[in-house]
Amino acid sequence: DAGVTQSPTHLIKTRGQHVTLRCSPISGHKSVSWYQQVLGQGPQFIFQYYEKEERGRGNFPDRFSARQFPNYSSELNVNALLLGDSALYLCASSLPNYNEQFFGPGTRLTVL
Amino acid sequence: SQQGEEDPQALSIQEGENATMNCSYKTSINNLQWYRQNSGRGLVHLILIRSNEREKHSGRLRVTLDTSKKSSSLLITASRAADTASYFCATDAGGSEKLVFGKGTKLTVNP
Repeated sequence: DAGVTQSPTHLIKTRGQHVTLRCSPISGHKSVSWYQQVLGQGPQFIFQYYEKEERGRGNFPDRFSARQFPNYSSELNVNALLLGDSALYLCASSLPNYNEQFFGPGTRLTVL
Repeated sequence: SQQGEEDPQALSIQEGENATMNCSYKTSINNLQWYRQNSGRGLVHLILIRSNEREKHSGRLRVTLDTSKKSSSLLITASRAADTASYFCATDAGGSEKLVFGKGTKLTVNP
């Protein structure tokens, strides 16, 4: 079975630009979460979506937004990129009410 | 903000030795999980221990949980070079499905 997939793998943007990251969950998983991992730190929760509705939001500015589609895939959008947005962005999917999360390989975003 | 703090930040051992990593957290939890990450890639789930459990085993892994001290430990027995990775504890922050991670322990197993 295919695991969680993310695209693109790497991305380089300049300050002020916009970026869209994509995630496809494991088949049958309806919950998708996004995390930001800055170098040397643990992942930090950004959003969780379940059945296309936002279920949770972390302490991130409004420049960060996300959505989930009818096929349960998800997009994370970041506007007005800052240097500090450079990080590994991880997507995870899970079954409802089951805490184990399955992570994708991540998208490495570099903001210059 | 980080919920957990792993200790030590870095650990270097020889193959065949045991590796012990500790995690402390701040708020009440329903469960605590350990994840492994190789070289800045995706995280792999290792083991989940519920708040009413004190110890759990999975292969060469042994996890303990002390809710009175808000701490957990991960023991990897008979370590292998392939165990070289960063290890993170994650808590469910009081019942939500959001995971709150610590900063991780970077384990190096020397052949």
